[in-house]
Amino acid sequence: AQTVTQSQPEMSVQEAETVTLSCTYDTSESDYYLFWYKQPPSRQMILVIRQEAYKQQNATENRFSVNFQKAAKSFSLKISDSQLGDAAMYFCAYRIMEGSQGNLIFGKGTKLSVKP
Amino acid sequence: NAGVTQTPKFQVLKTGQSMTLQCAQDMNHEYMSWYRQDPGMGLRLIHYSVGAGITDQGEVPNGYNVSRSTTEDFPLRLLSAAPSQTSVYFCASSYSAGTSYNEQFFGPGTRLTVL
Repeated sequence: AQTVTQSQPEMSVQEAETVTLSCTYDTSESDYYLFWYKQPPSRQMILVIRQEAYKQQNATENRFSVNFQKAAKSFSLKISDSQLGDAAMYFCAYRIMEGSQGNLIFGKGTKLSVKP
Repeated sequence: NAGVTQTPKFQVLKTGQSMTLQCAQDMNHEYMSWYRQDPGMGLRLIHYSVGAGITDQGEVPNGYNVSRSTTEDFPLRLLSAAPSQTSVYFCASSYSAGTSYNEQFFGPGTRLTVL
C-alpha cells in the first residue's frame, strides 16, 4: 500500500527567506501524481503544485517549486521569498493510479509559521 | 459555479444520534469522495464514488454510509454517532477518476463534534 510521510510536524521561516518542506512516499507504481496542498486557518484545501512522476523536470508555480527525486521517492516543497500569507498547514499527497480510482493518500502535514 | 458545497459547516451531536452531511457539486464531476481530518493525522479517505450508483470504501469506512443517486450529490450518513467520529469532514470531487490528471476540488469542510 502507498504511504506518504512528512517528517517535520512544524517549521518556521523568517519573512522573505526560503524554506523547504520534506515529503517521502512509498509505492510500487511507476506512474503517479504527487501534490502539495495548503490549508490556511480557514480550513480550505488549496492545491499549491503538482508533479507527474513521468516528468523529470521539477514543477514550479511562482514562488513554489518542488525537488522531485523519483528513485529516492522524495518530493520536497521549496517556498521562496516567504510571505506572511504562506503561514498554513501543508500536506503532501499521492494520487493512486491503480484501478483508476483517483484517491489521494495524504501525509500528516507540516505546520509552517512565518515570522515578520 | 458554486464548486463543491457542504452543509452544515458546524454540527454538535450526542452519542447515538444519526445525521447526514451533505455534499453537492455543480461541475458535472464523476468522481466524489469523503475525507476526515483529525489532528496530527492528515486527511483519510472514508468513501468514494466514481459515478452515479457506484460507491466504494476507503481507508476508514466503519460507522459511515454513502449513496450516489445523482451525479451532483454525495451525502455521508453517520448511523450512530460516536465520540471517535469527532472530526472535520471534507468532500472532494474531480472530473473523473481514470489515469489522467484531474484536479480534486475540496469543499469548505464540516466540523463535527460528538459528545
